[in-house]
Amino acid sequence: QLQLQESGPGLVRPSETLSLTCTVSDGSISSGSYYWGWIRQPPGKGLEWIGNIYYSGYTYYNPSLRSRVTISIDTSKTQFSLKLSSVAAADTAVYYCARHDLALGNLVDFWGQGTLVTVSS
Amino acid sequence: IVLTQSPGTLSLSPGERATLSCRASQSVTSNYLAWYQQKPGQAPRLLIYSASTRATGIPDRFSGSGSGTDFTLTISRLESEDFAVYYCHQYGGSPPLTFGGGTRVEIK
Repeated sequence: QLQLQESGPGLVRPSETLSLTCTVSDGSISSGSYYWGWIRQPPGKGLEWIGNIYYSGYTYYNPSLRSRVTISIDTSKTQFSLKLSSVAAADTAVYYCARHDLALGNLVDFWGQGTLVTVSS
Repeated sequence: IVLTQSPGTLSLSPGERATLSCRASQSVTSNYLAWYQQKPGQAPRLLIYSASTRATGIPDRFSGSGSGTDFTLTISRLESEDFAVYYCHQYGGSPPLTFGGGTRVEIK
């Protein structure tokens, strides 16, 4: 059964780079049926799509974050990762990794449990 | 595509009917519109996709309708576990994928 597990520091200093990794439990990361993505939610606020990546490495990013975001994938480790540079307090959020099902039109059909990242000195 | 959800908060009693609206700033490609339920401290849970298809395991009191720019989530008879925040989400066409601002369904 699929599990997505986020990992990484819970505290990042302003102007530094936020780095998170998502581990995919069932090996489907190499399947051509899915994209793998990141979504965030500031405390008490709504959801913002950050971007996603295909097993081949092809990426899509939210234009509002594109200049600061890099998503990468390592299929041998069944992991994909998020890097967000030059963070500020506004980047404090719960970060979710998620699966996008291409057969259903890129639908976000499965989510990790989320990890809170706080940007503070 | 900007998604606008209304109302912001819905105050209802168990057993009542809930009607949530999601309006898109332009037509949603292939009606690729989903609804999620989120409870405090939890990840969103997929309820409806392709505007009207229930996800696996979702009770039939949840239904979705609409097309183009206007979509609706209906909960026919609210149960205690349905009080939560609901988000609509469009995933068609070119990125970025977008979410609505959410509707909170609270106990009256």
